[in-house]
Amino acid sequence: AQSVTQLGSHVSVSEGALVLLRCNYSSSVPPYLFWYVQYPNQGLQLLLKYTTGATLVKGINGFEAEFKKSETSFHLTKPSAHMSDAAEYFCAVNTGNQAGTALIFGKGTTLSVSS
Amino acid sequence: DTGVSQNPRHKITKRGQNVTFRCDPISEHNRLYWYRQTLGQGPEFLTYFQNEAQLEKSRLLSDRFSAERPKGSFSTLEIQRTEQGDSAMYLCASSLWDRLGEQYFGPGTRLTVT
Repeated sequence: AQSVTQLGSHVSVSEGALVLLRCNYSSSVPPYLFWYVQYPNQGLQLLLKYTTGATLVKGINGFEAEFKKSETSFHLTKPSAHMSDAAEYFCAVNTGNQAGTALIFGKGTTLSVSS
Repeated sequence: DTGVSQNPRHKITKRGQNVTFRCDPISEHNRLYWYRQTLGQGPEFLTYFQNEAQLEKSRLLSDRFSAERPKGSFSTLEIQRTEQGDSAMYLCASSLWDRLGEQYFGPGTRLTVT
């Protein structure tokens, strides 16, 4: 069965600092992994995804994530935080390797950015 | 592209009452998903449709919950005999059938059962 663990329910950084949000997964099939972001009073939106191929994937707003099979990790990073990055971030894994199957989400990490 | 819309945005009901939520997906999307999110948790999958066919239901979806997607367009989620434990944010998402994981979420319906 698939599962996702996000380490740290709350991360605080200063503006301009590195952002690192951690995600570890467990999957009985080759995983497809995702990061979603939820801004206050808005729906979740896809930041980036890994399916196959290049293990370093780039997303919107300068975020990227690296799939590391040996570590079962898919950590999200951004070199320099901006105030507008403050939001809740969810890591997710597909329940199967076919298009259209459901997502299993982690509990989320709230990112705070201070000036 | 007007996005996924959900109505109502908020619903307060008394325990034992029935409630129904509506989701209007992005028009060309043939897959539609329902999730539930409680405070401090990520969204939990409930069920999904391809066109009008309900293809998968979670164990979380008790007999009091029913979802429909007539004509493969909008969807409704009904909860019968609501319980306080049903209080949550109910999220709807839609996607194209071949876009793995690329789900577009609505703003959600927040249900409070008193």
